[in-house]
Amino acid sequence: DAGVIQSPRHEVTEMGQEVTLRCKPISGHNSLFWYRQTMMRGLELLIYFNNNVPIDDSGMPEDRFSAKMPNASFSTLKIQPSEPRDSAVYFCASSPRTGAGNTIYFGEGSWLTVV
Amino acid sequence: TQLLEQSPQFLSIQEGENLTVYCNSSSVFSSLQWYRQEPGEGPVLLVTVVTGGEVKKLKRLTFQFGDARKDSSLHITAAQPGDTGLYLCAGDNTGTASKLTFGTGTRLQVTL
Repeated sequence: DAGVIQSPRHEVTEMGQEVTLRCKPISGHNSLFWYRQTMMRGLELLIYFNNNVPIDDSGMPEDRFSAKMPNASFSTLKIQPSEPRDSAVYFCASSPRTGAGNTIYFGEGSWLTVV
Repeated sequence: TQLLEQSPQFLSIQEGENLTVYCNSSSVFSSLQWYRQEPGEGPVLLVTVVTGGEVKKLKRLTFQFGDARKDSSLHITAAQPGDTGLYLCAGDNTGTASKLTFGTGTRLQVTL
């Protein structure tokens, strides 16, 4: 079975440009998560969706960040305008359900560098 | 803000040695998970512990959840180079495992 698929794997962009990261969750999974990982702050939850509906976006750093999930098989995380401090690895993850012991499956990440 | 502190931050050992990684918090969690992350990949779930005092074994890895559900440990027996990676603990206090708080991480290197 295919895992969580993210694109692009690597992106280098100039400050001020719009960045769109894409994610295809595992088929049949009801929950989707966007995480960000940096050396300084570790792995942080940005937003999560349940059945395509955003449930908690309290981790989104500011208005420059937005996320959408138009259907069960696709989600985007957009940064506009991008800044150097947004440089990080962005992970998408999905899980089949919620509840104690739930397993979250991570994608391989999108490595973003803003120069 | 809940914090999960892991220690040590870095660990370099030789094949065959034993090691223990600690995950500590001042907060109570309903469950705690351990992940391993290899370079260029996402974290992969190793185990979930739910009950205070619970001990789970996964081959050479032994996981324990503290009695008060505030801390956890991961013990590796006879480490192998394949154990190399970043070990992350993650706590959940929502009961839904939807809002995990990840630890600061322990980077382990096992050499021949």
